[in-house]
Amino acid sequence: EDQVTQSPEALRLQEGESSSLNCSYTVSGLRGLFWYRQDPGKGPEFLFTLYSAGEEKEKERLKATLTKKESFLHITAPKPEDSATYLCAVQPTSGGSYIPTFGRGTSLIVHP
Amino acid sequence: KAGVTQTPRYLIKTRGQQVTLSCSPISGHRSVSWYQQTPGQGLQFLFEYFSETQRNKGNFPGRFSGRQFSNSRSEMNVSTLELGDSALYLCASSPGLAPTDTQYFGPGTRLTVL
Repeated sequence: EDQVTQSPEALRLQEGESSSLNCSYTVSGLRGLFWYRQDPGKGPEFLFTLYSAGEEKEKERLKATLTKKESFLHITAPKPEDSATYLCAVQPTSGGSYIPTFGRGTSLIVHP
Repeated sequence: KAGVTQTPRYLIKTRGQQVTLSCSPISGHRSVSWYQQTPGQGLQFLFEYFSETQRNKGNFPGRFSGRQFSNSRSEMNVSTLELGDSALYLCASSPGLAPTDTQYFGPGTRLTVL
């Protein structure tokens, strides 16, 4: 069974304090790994798709990286507006499903 | 390009009632997926429709059903509501042509069952 585990569950940072969120996954084969940001009471907002180990993508203060077993979302010099829950999802190669498996998310709070 | 829209945004129902939620996907997208999100369970997949056919189904009871129309708009129905059905219901659309197609989510419908 495909599994996605995100850690930590919650993270509190001071503004400007860089850190990383982890997404470890167990799948027979990986088609793609997705990162989303979700603000309270809203739908997830797409951030990145990573397809193969070694791939990196950046957007403003966020940088996503991928290895064969996990992905990291690095947040550089975060601001209070980066506070949100960050969700990771994987799309396996096995089966014909078009539905990704989501992790439980990391709740990030950035204090001014 | 307009995003995914969901109506209504908020609903309050009582146990035993039924409810219908609506989702309009991004123009050109043929796949619509529905998810239930609760603090305890996270994001759980309900079902996916592609070109008016249910293509994938999650592990939810038969009280949860859906359909998709020829214009790709989708509706989700929950019959005989239970207290545990209180949740944020999210719909996501994608082109649906490849497994790695990005899913774009709507703002959700917050359902409260009293």
